[in-house]
Amino acid sequence: DTEVTQTPKHLVMGMTNKKSLKCEQHMGHRAMYWYKQKAKKPPELMFVYSYEKLSINESVPSRFSPECPNSSLLNLHLHALQPEDSALYLCASSQDAQNSYEQYFGPGTRLTVT
Amino acid sequence: AQSVTQLDSHVSVSEGTPVLLRCNYSSSYSPSLFWYVQHPNKGLQLLLKYTSAATLVKGINGFEAEFKKSETSFHLTKPSAHMSDAAEYFCVVSDPFSSGGYNKLIFGAGTRLAVHP
Repeated sequence: DTEVTQTPKHLVMGMTNKKSLKCEQHMGHRAMYWYKQKAKKPPELMFVYSYEKLSINESVPSRFSPECPNSSLLNLHLHALQPEDSALYLCASSQDAQNSYEQYFGPGTRLTVT
Repeated sequence: AQSVTQLDSHVSVSEGTPVLLRCNYSSSYSPSLFWYVQHPNKGLQLLLKYTSAATLVKGINGFEAEFKKSETSFHLTKPSAHMSDAAEYFCVVSDPFSSGGYNKLIFGAGTRLAVHP
């Protein structure tokens, strides 16, 4: 099973709302990632978790707050977002973060900030 | 630093004809290379990967790619296009020496493949 699941599929939120995106994998992977993808662009890395610890924050604004409750779950907490944060948010996982393993992507959450 | 260039932003083919999506990479050491496909409003699906084994790599859905070190290329091909192949394709190189000590994926800009009846 090479499936990464993400919920919700779509999310519309106002600039004062607080919401969370969820990601789950059951492949025993020890690295998990959040990416942001704008239309007609490749994904941009936001965060890397390795063995449930935050390893990389690619200078992401603090209105995005990641959380890794356990090795299978990854959350992205959203607060006070801006309209320019509207995008497809992709979660991915890989065996680990140090070796050249492929990453498996979820279907994404389409976020619209109004 | 690693980088990847997809030479065509758009490719259009007729159904049943061959597909060629071109990708050149830059690397100071033996790279790991991947092709991903993204259908509209979907996540990325791994088509195939090269990790220094056979230079001709076979992937899913009839796609294959050939690693040519002398040309620093990793072009994606398929003998006969199907309507369902219409999608965005990303060539990706891994950078194991990125800042932070983790294996970062470097994405090309993408190639949009259109398949006409």
